[in-house]
Amino acid sequence: GQNIDQPTEMTATEGAIVQINCTYQTSGFNGLFWYQQHAGEAPTFLSYNVLDGLEEKGRFSSFLSRSKGYSYLLLKELQMKDSASYLCAVRTGGFKTIFGAGTRLFVKA
Amino acid sequence: DADVTQTPRNRITKTGKRIMLECSQTKGHDRMYWYRQDPGLGLRLIYYSFDVKDINKGEISDGYSVSRQAQAKFSLSLESAIPNQTALYFCATSDALAGVYNEQFFGPGTRLTVL
Repeated sequence: GQNIDQPTEMTATEGAIVQINCTYQTSGFNGLFWYQQHAGEAPTFLSYNVLDGLEEKGRFSSFLSRSKGYSYLLLKELQMKDSASYLCAVRTGGFKTIFGAGTRLFVKA
Repeated sequence: DADVTQTPRNRITKTGKRIMLECSQTKGHDRMYWYRQDPGLGLRLIYYSFDVKDINKGEISDGYSVSRQAQAKFSLSLESAIPNQTALYFCATSDALAGVYNEQFFGPGTRLTVL
């Protein structure tokens, strides 16, 4: 079967760094996405990895290891507005996208 | 104006009623999707369409049907609503051609409650 695992909740302090992990087992792989979703709102695109390595975009970075079926999202200089759910999603061999259940991040002062 | 719109935004209905959720987009994208989101389960794909003549079932299509009336419009129907279809429903679009990412753009969601 197809499976994406990520922690349910994490808490971090304003100004700190947090790493949200994602592991996946899917039938085929055509890229991994991270989306941010604030409570009651639509998910919005954060990052995309298709090759192994680190992609950096401002305060956000995302890493992929295809051989390990593993990715992480790194958020630096945390701000209160970063409190949200972070969704890991894999585009499979059939070009459908499978979403993980999401990680709720709480940023405290 | 929003690029992906959904109507209605909220709907309360009774078991056995027929419900239609509508999605429109001005992004010019070929691909459109319907998802439902339940607490602890994440987004699950109901149906997707890669162009007007292409409709495909997702993970959880039972009890749902769709219609792609035009490139810009993709509607989701619940022929006979049941309480376990209570959820937050999202429409999304993506571009088949442009760019490397082909990320999905989501509408604001429709909160459906079936009593």
